[in-house]
Amino acid sequence: EVQLVESGGGVLRPGGSLRLSCAASGFTFDDYGMTWVRQAPGKGLEWVSTISGNGASTGYADSVKGRFTISRDNAKNSLYLQMNSLRAEDTALYHCARRSSFWGFDPWGQGTLVTVSS
Amino acid sequence: QSALTQPPSASGSPGQSVTISCTGTSSDVGGYNYVSWYQHHPGKAPKLMIYEVTKRPSGVPDRFSGSKSGDTASLTVSGLQAEDEADYYCSSYAGSNIGLFGTGTKVTVL
Repeated sequence: EVQLVESGGGVLRPGGSLRLSCAASGFTFDDYGMTWVRQAPGKGLEWVSTISGNGASTGYADSVKGRFTISRDNAKNSLYLQMNSLRAEDTALYHCARRSSFWGFDPWGQGTLVTVSS
Repeated sequence: QSALTQPPSASGSPGQSVTISCTGTSSDVGGYNYVSWYQHHPGKAPKLMIYEVTKRPSGVPDRFSGSKSGDTASLTVSGLQAEDEADYYCSSYAGSNIGLFGTGTKVTVL
């Protein structure tokens, strides 16, 4: 069974840093691009970042560019999101998802909650 | 990077059809055949319903269909069922490893 499990969320103050992880199982991890999507409380889905299967190609939403870094360790079947200079508006449930096709995300993990508050 | 525009809500009675629009620009929806649609029940992980504008993943009922004309993509749910009540989001590739989601549409089955 294909499974994605996020971890690393928490509560922190503005300006802080956090690294999210996504553990993948049930498929050949390096065959697939991966993506992070977030949902702020009461808001819609927001695409955050994507990475290719070999890690050579990445992309970021303008709202996180320069502050967040996506990476992966194919030997560990793991995806990461390093988040620096966190702001209150980064408060959200962060999901990782597999890019099952060029731009189709399936499946998704249940998410890990990040709360940025003073 | 602006979110794609969707109507906030849509509704229909059981058995009827509902169509949700997703409007972008020539730089995203209109420029690529890489539009996908997601069903999201609160508290659960979003589910891929349509990818590459018209393709359905295995296991998604054929009541769900997608299309595109110019800068606007659409999702049609035919033969509405109670379990179709959810939030629906479109997503489009926008070039240079950039993606966008739509503003979301809440579908109510009356």
